[in-house]
Amino acid sequence: QQPVQSPQAVILREGEDAVINCSSSKALYSVHWYRQKHGEAPVFLMILLKGGEQKGHEKISASFNEKKQQSSLYLTASQLSYSGTYFCGTVTGTASKLTFGTGTRLQVTL
Amino acid sequence: DTGVSQNPRHKITKRGQNVTFRCDPISEHNRLYWYRQTLGQGPEFLTYFQNEAQLEKSRLLSDRFSAERPKGSFSTLEIQRTEQGDSAMYLCASSLGGFFDSPLHFGNGTRLTVT
Repeated sequence: QQPVQSPQAVILREGEDAVINCSSSKALYSVHWYRQKHGEAPVFLMILLKGGEQKGHEKISASFNEKKQQSSLYLTASQLSYSGTYFCGTVTGTASKLTFGTGTRLQVTL
Repeated sequence: DTGVSQNPRHKITKRGQNVTFRCDPISEHNRLYWYRQTLGQGPEFLTYFQNEAQLEKSRLLSDRFSAERPKGSFSTLEIQRTEQGDSAMYLCASSLGGFFDSPLHFGNGTRLTVT
């Protein structure tokens, strides 16, 4: 089942912070985060693993709440280059595929 | 690491025609995935391979869709008797390990338009 992301869209001024949430109706083994710019392929940002290990991006952070079956992506001091659509992807079992969320469109302006 | 390569980038076809797309993954990656993406939506899983074995196929994938990965290298996705609802971006990705803890590296996709 597809994870749900919120908000659907957000507009920021450069330097502001944003939080993007990803919720699953099933228990999570891991959560991936990707960013996709218009007309381009999704680009990997981060993986959060059950048990707390985090792998990924140095300027963007994330949390993983296994009990709540949620993950949040934190974008601090946003830059123009952060603009794009952010997708979470969830893995709900050892044999489960990666299912992408509904997406959050982020626009950073001057 | 030359990245995942997909060809063609764009394909326009008439309804009822067959189309084939190619994906060349990152050379050392043993897993290869096909996803489909429509405007404003997240990528939707179609199928994946581990080496040459096709391990899972989405229930959304009708019998008109077939994918191969001969010799565990490049992969092809064929759509027979295309329909207008097949219009979408078809994304290929590869990874070194499984879904659980390995990033997917996506190609730039093949945009299919069925007229």
